[in-house]
Amino acid sequence: EAQVTQNPRYLITVTGKKLTVTCSQNMNHEYMSWYRQDPGLGLRQIYYSMNVEVTDKGDVPEGYKVSRKEKRNFPLILESPSPNQTSLYFCASSLVRGPGELFFGEGSRLTVL
Amino acid sequence: SQKIEQNSEALNIQEGKTATLTCNYTNYSPAYLQWYRQDPGRGPVFLLLIRENEKEKRKERLKVTFDTTLKQSLFHITASQPADSATYLCALGHRGSTLGRLYFGRGTQLTVWP
Repeated sequence: EAQVTQNPRYLITVTGKKLTVTCSQNMNHEYMSWYRQDPGLGLRQIYYSMNVEVTDKGDVPEGYKVSRKEKRNFPLILESPSPNQTSLYFCASSLVRGPGELFFGEGSRLTVL
Repeated sequence: SQKIEQNSEALNIQEGKTATLTCNYTNYSPAYLQWYRQDPGRGPVFLLLIRENEKEKRKERLKVTFDTTLKQSLFHITASQPADSATYLCALGHRGSTLGRLYFGRGTQLTVWP
């Protein structure tokens, strides 16, 4: 089944404790991206990747890191999480770099205490 | 940066009627525009894409229009059903140096009542 898989789906952590949210797609998509969704603010792009080893900033990259060492994986790293990073995170991928139709994961709800 | 406004946070209509959702944008003219559906606690699901040189796109009960002069897209659901109740998001994309950027509106929550 074609899908974008995120882990963990739910996480409660404390300020400053490094964490990684993994994202994997099995559709051989070129493009991948991370978004965060907050009430009243909608979906905001954090980082995106047009290809392996190619990443770029979105609207809200501060406090986040990404890497794209393999085509299928695009992990989101929070080196020192803070409470303002409490949010619902979505990973998405697209066959084309445009991007075209985005396939979203089921989301990762992160709470930073 | 791109600014996108979707009409009223919530829209309530009766089953069988046509729902019309609006997406207005300012600043840069997009190369294309997409519409997504999002159910509570789930990831958005792609519905339609329309390019700047297209006026209208249809898919089953869905229709999207794109007016680059008005800087507006309209999303129609005809013969609406309670199962159409969800939040609908519009998203804009560009060419060139911002090719990888996709800007989302805040969404319109649609409720279709029997």
